Amino acid sequence: QKEVEQDPGPLSVPEGAIVSLNCTYSNSAFQYFMWYRQYSRKGPELLMYTYSSGNKEDGRFTAQVDKSSKYISLFIRDSQPSDSATYLCAMKVQGAQKLVFGQGTRLTINP
Amino acid sequence: DAGVIQSPRHEVTEMGQEVTLRCKPISGHNSLFWYRQTMMRGLELLIYFNNNVPIDDSGMPEDRFSAKMPNASFSTLKIQPSEPRDSAVYFCASSNRRNTGELFFGEGSRLTVL
Repeated sequence: QKEVEQDPGPLSVPEGAIVSLNCTYSNSAFQYFMWYRQYSRKGPELLMYTYSSGNKEDGRFTAQVDKSSKYISLFIRDSQPSDSATYLCAMKVQGAQKLVFGQGTRLTINP
Repeated sequence: DAGVIQSPRHEVTEMGQEVTLRCKPISGHNSLFWYRQTMMRGLELLIYFNNNVPIDDSGMPEDRFSAKMPNASFSTLKIQPSEPRDSAVYFCASSNRRNTGELFFGEGSRLTVL
């Protein structure tokens, strides 16, 4: 079993829809949770970062962490075609430098 | 500001040939990471350096893979001899944020071994 599980999709939704992306993990020591966005033929770039449990909002994006369920989510409101990309969750243990990535979910927003 | 710079962007080679991938991290970043991305396995950490010193190379798949960081502004990942299963996109990332683990990735080197 992988440490971090993420449905690779692909996921296709119409413009304006609310998108929900999710990851589950098995290592209860993970404390830092991140979402990276990767456009085609580009490197991943950090989108959202959360420490421990709770919610974090940034514009149309909301990241949620539920440590009791070992489950993290990224919500995108009012989705735009420019949001079409692969979204990767990543997490790490406090004090460690190694990030463990999910497989990535390929998302397409249709105009 | 310049981001992480990788070269070459694309490399096509034949099985058995030596491949060298290069990376220039962001100036002032003291950690450098090499990742490999494939459809089947996603992003895998191969090795990372702190202050030019290799810290964890447990992700390097075989002795055919080696990485060096001779100074703060340059790193190489070498595969010798290359095999078709090494075909992947290789990313270099740098960081100066050890606590949060935020990484800044280059655009990758796409390697195809025939």
